[in-house]
Amino acid sequence: DAKTTQPTSMDCAEGRAANLPCNHSTISGNEYVYWYRQIHSQGPQYIIHGLKNNETNEMASLIITEDRKSSTLILPHATLRDTAVYYCTPVAGGTSYGKLTFGQGTILTVHP
Amino acid sequence: GAVVSQHPSRVICKSGTSVKIECRSLDFQATTMFWYRQFPKQSLMLMATSNEGSKATYEQGVEKDKFLINHASLTLSTLTVTSAHPEDSSFYICSASYGRVGDTQYFGPGTRLTVL
Repeated sequence: DAKTTQPTSMDCAEGRAANLPCNHSTISGNEYVYWYRQIHSQGPQYIIHGLKNNETNEMASLIITEDRKSSTLILPHATLRDTAVYYCTPVAGGTSYGKLTFGQGTILTVHP
Repeated sequence: GAVVSQHPSRVICKSGTSVKIECRSLDFQATTMFWYRQFPKQSLMLMATSNEGSKATYEQGVEKDKFLINHASLTLSTLTVTSAHPEDSSFYICSASYGRVGDTQYFGPGTRLTVL
């Protein structure tokens, strides 16, 4: 499984865009990039995932570099409720069927 | 998105007793369910993967006789912590997916287990 590197923590002002980077330089061809977040004492919440193309949904946008070695999660207009730990995790699309490996993630703090 | 529930949300038990935690997929059929454990200030660690009707696959270092997993239906998986001890106190979280290539896992809200 690919290893990931994320900043330990980031700050963002409310209403501004939050850009959370993730390095996954050893990602293999069949691994999707998944992003989850975990608010304190709750189960992780799915945000978005992608394989090669950039993706957007109602929560966020995901930008994946052409070589797929890194990606950036973008929360376009951060709110206080977006304060959480954000995890980037590659997931093999083959026989692992969605086996997730969580690293330490990025603690995002959104302040007023 | 798909909804996954867990019951109970919090449980306190005495050392030596067994505790059962239920994980249900409420609006979809989950071919595959996963159980994670999270200690304070640490990340989630996968304990085991279970497919409906099959025996669970445990991660290295997880005792299968201590953490019994049953996935008898497409909407229910249970984790039983047998002969619980204080070091088993943790946050247990399940997730469920359709089990197809590239599928998303949806997580439950977690169960806080405290063993006295």
